[in-house]
Parts: sequence; structure tokens; C-alpha cells
Amino acid sequence: DAKTTQPTSMDCAEGRAANLPCNHSTISGNEYVYWYRQIHSQGPQYIIHGLKNNETNEMASLIITEDRKSSTLILPHATLRDTAVYYCIVRPSNYGGSQGNLIFGKGTKLSVKP
Amino acid sequence: NAGVTQTPKFQVLKTGQSMTLQCAQDMNHEYMSWYRQDPGMGLRLIHYSVGAGITDQGEVPNGYNVSRSTTEDFPLRLLSAAPSQTSVYFCASRRSGGALGYTFGSGTRLTVV
Repeated sequence: DAKTTQPTSMDCAEGRAANLPCNHSTISGNEYVYWYRQIHSQGPQYIIHGLKNNETNEMASLIITEDRKSSTLILPHATLRDTAVYYCIVRPSNYGGSQGNLIFGKGTKLSVKP
Repeated sequence: NAGVTQTPKFQVLKTGQSMTLQCAQDMNHEYMSWYRQDPGMGLRLIHYSVGAGITDQGEVPNGYNVSRSTTEDFPLRLLSAAPSQTSVYFCASRRSGGALGYTFGSGTRLTVV
């Protein structure tokens, strides 16, 4: 079972920041938080991951609370092409065998509107 | 560097037929996985491999076989297709060690009639 809880859907205006929350209250100390997205009918795309510090790359920023029980993915200037389903997944950092697999929930469907 | 390549992109099968979905990666990734995605659902793990010669079952392995004779290839075999196997199939790979993410293929859309 997925270890995360995400809202089913969200809307965002084009050009504004999209803030996607994720609850992972049972996260263990060695588990990373990963974000993937799936644009309609395409394969999932890796976005970002983090352990406890905030992370930023060219696609997004990841803010993890101090207690690590929740996180927020931020798309700073959402465009229409960011419309997708966003998946928040937790996974051990020291993974082997089945621990390395991704367990997907239903994610958040983000709709960016003009 | 093509990443993860899946063939075919589309396939229609009759009930009872068998076929192989191909997956190849050119990134020398040790881990490879197969997922299926049904309409409106998240991805579910079918089988995975942690390296050449090693495979294991995921959440929904029934009706599927896999083998991993090389690092590059991880084919998925449908033994006797059933309408319940109508789905979109995704192959994914990643390096072992570290915390980097998976790379996914573009999918195979399979319809069993």
C-alpha cells in the first residue's frame, strides 16, 4: 500500500506557483520522498527527491517539514504543460530487492488553467 | 542515448494468444521493472529484476512471465492473454545504489478482445 496521502485534484492559474501537498506521517528515518509526474498517457517522469533538507532543481522545489511527516512540491511558475498527475512516493535510501520498487498511489491531478 | 525503449507501442490480441512486450535500456541500469496502469488508476508493479539472471514478483504477477538474460533487456511475456490484461504497460529502470530516480519508457497500450 502507498504510504502517502495526496489530494485527488488541484487547479492552478498559469504563471502562478503550484503547491502540491503530500502527507507521509509514517515515514521512516531512512526513507526518501520522491515526486514523479505523469503527463497524459506518457510514462511517469522523475521530478525531484529529498531526505530532510529542502531541495531545488530546474523543474521544482521540494519542501519537507522538520518532522518529515509532510512535504510540498512547488512548481514556481506553472504552465499549461505542467498539467499532469503528480505522485508522491516514499522509498528507503538504502534499498535492495523489493525495497527499491516504487509503490504508486493515485496521485494529485493538477490542472493548470489559462 | 535512447533511455528506455518499449515495443510495440500498440497491440491488439485475441483472448488466449501469447505475446512478448519488449523493453530495452542503454544506460547500464541494474534495476528494471514492469508496471501496468488501468484507466484512472495508479501504476501497479508486475515483476522486477535487480540484475541479470535475477527476477522477482511484484503486486500483480499472475498471467505474466519475465526473464533477464542481459542487463539491457527485460521482456514481459503474456502466456494466454485475457481481457483483464487490457492495460497500458510501462517498463522502468534505474541504477543500483544511491537514491536516483527511475527512468520510464513511453508505454505499450495492449487491448485483449
